[in-house]
Amino acid sequence: KAGVTQTPRYLIKTRGQQVTLSCSPISGHRSVSWYQQTPGQGLQFLFEYFSETQRNKGNFPGRFSGRQFSNSRSEMNVSTLELGDSALYLCASSLPGHGHGYTFGSGTRLTVV
Amino acid sequence: TQLLEQSPQFLSIQEGENLTVYCNSSSVFSSLQWYRQEPGEGPVLLVTVVTGGEVKKLKRLTFQFGDARKDSSLHITAAQPGDTGLYLCAGHTGNQFYFGTGTSLTVIP
Repeated sequence: KAGVTQTPRYLIKTRGQQVTLSCSPISGHRSVSWYQQTPGQGLQFLFEYFSETQRNKGNFPGRFSGRQFSNSRSEMNVSTLELGDSALYLCASSLPGHGHGYTFGSGTRLTVV
Repeated sequence: TQLLEQSPQFLSIQEGENLTVYCNSSSVFSSLQWYRQEPGEGPVLLVTVVTGGEVKKLKRLTFQFGDARKDSSLHITAAQPGDTGLYLCAGHTGNQFYFGTGTSLTVIP
């Protein structure tokens, strides 16, 4: 079956702009989580959505937001971009329960200039 | 402060050598996972362990969950260049997964 698809793969934005990233989970996976990965901080949890509801949120400012649609596809938005937002943004889908692992997408590489 | 500390941070070894990567925390986890990530790609799940003391083997890779469910180790026997990558542990606690700091492994042919 198809894996987790993230679009776009690469983005270059200017400080102050906003950006929307998209994630299509594996069919049948209703849980979608987003992570930010940087060389200095590693993988940091942004938020998790399940059945269109945000179930958990990490310690990021309100400029980072997300949503999930009825078909489980998810988007995350970052407004008023800062240079420090440059990172690899990873989306992961999973079945419910902590015993199931994530299937990650290939990520969106965001560069803010 | 990271909830999960991995050691070593970097490891460069010759093909055929054995190695162990450690993942430590003061927190108790309901489950722990190991992933491998290659450049430009997302992490790929290798294993999930849920029971304290559990040992799982995946070909040349052996994973162990600590008895107290606070730590884990990954042992690779006879490393090959294809094992090169970033190894990440992730522990589940409080409705969330926390990722370790990562171990970057390079296996030299």
